[in-house]
Amino acid sequence: EAQVTQNPRYLITVTGKKLTVTCSQNMNHEYMSWYRQDPGLGLRQIYYSMNVEVTDKGDVPEGYKVSRKEKRNFPLILESPSPNQTSLYFCASSLLGGIVGNEQFFGPGTRLTVL
Amino acid sequence: EDQVTQSPEALRLQEGESSSLNCSYTVSGLRGLFWYRQDPGKGPEFLFTLYSAGEEKEKERLKATLTKKESFLHITAPKPEDSATYLCASSNDYKLSFGAGTTVTVRA
Repeated sequence: EAQVTQNPRYLITVTGKKLTVTCSQNMNHEYMSWYRQDPGLGLRQIYYSMNVEVTDKGDVPEGYKVSRKEKRNFPLILESPSPNQTSLYFCASSLLGGIVGNEQFFGPGTRLTVL
Repeated sequence: EDQVTQSPEALRLQEGESSSLNCSYTVSGLRGLFWYRQDPGKGPEFLFTLYSAGEEKEKERLKATLTKKESFLHITAPKPEDSATYLCASSNDYKLSFGAGTTVTVRA
């Protein structure tokens, strides 16, 4: 089944404790992206990757890191989480990104709480 | 700065009562306008992509249209299963900017 998977689905942590949220897709997509969703603010793009080893900042990259060493995986790293990073996070992938092939498939979401 | 604004925030409809959702955008060099549906507790699900003013796309009871400044999602004779949050997003090459969404509730 074609899908985007995220782990963990729920996470409660404390300020400053490094964490990684994994994202994996099995559709051989080149483009992957991370978003956070907050009430009233909608989905905001954190980082995106056009292909292996190619990443760029979205609208809200502060406090996050990403890496794309393999085509299928795109982990999101919070090196020193703070309470304002409490949010619902989504990973997405699409065939090519850009204009063509930008139909994005979203993962199920990771609900993160930072105390 | 690219901005996408959706209205209304919430819409309550009776089954069969057609209506429209609005998405206005200010994006330099718009490369695509997307509509997604999001059910509670789930990730968004792709509905449509529109590329140029005048373009229309349909899927079941949904029809999306695009002008130079806005896009509309028309829901014709909605059913309770059309209840969801509808998101629009603009694309400027590789970056996507989403609106806050319109939550549609359809009562039987």
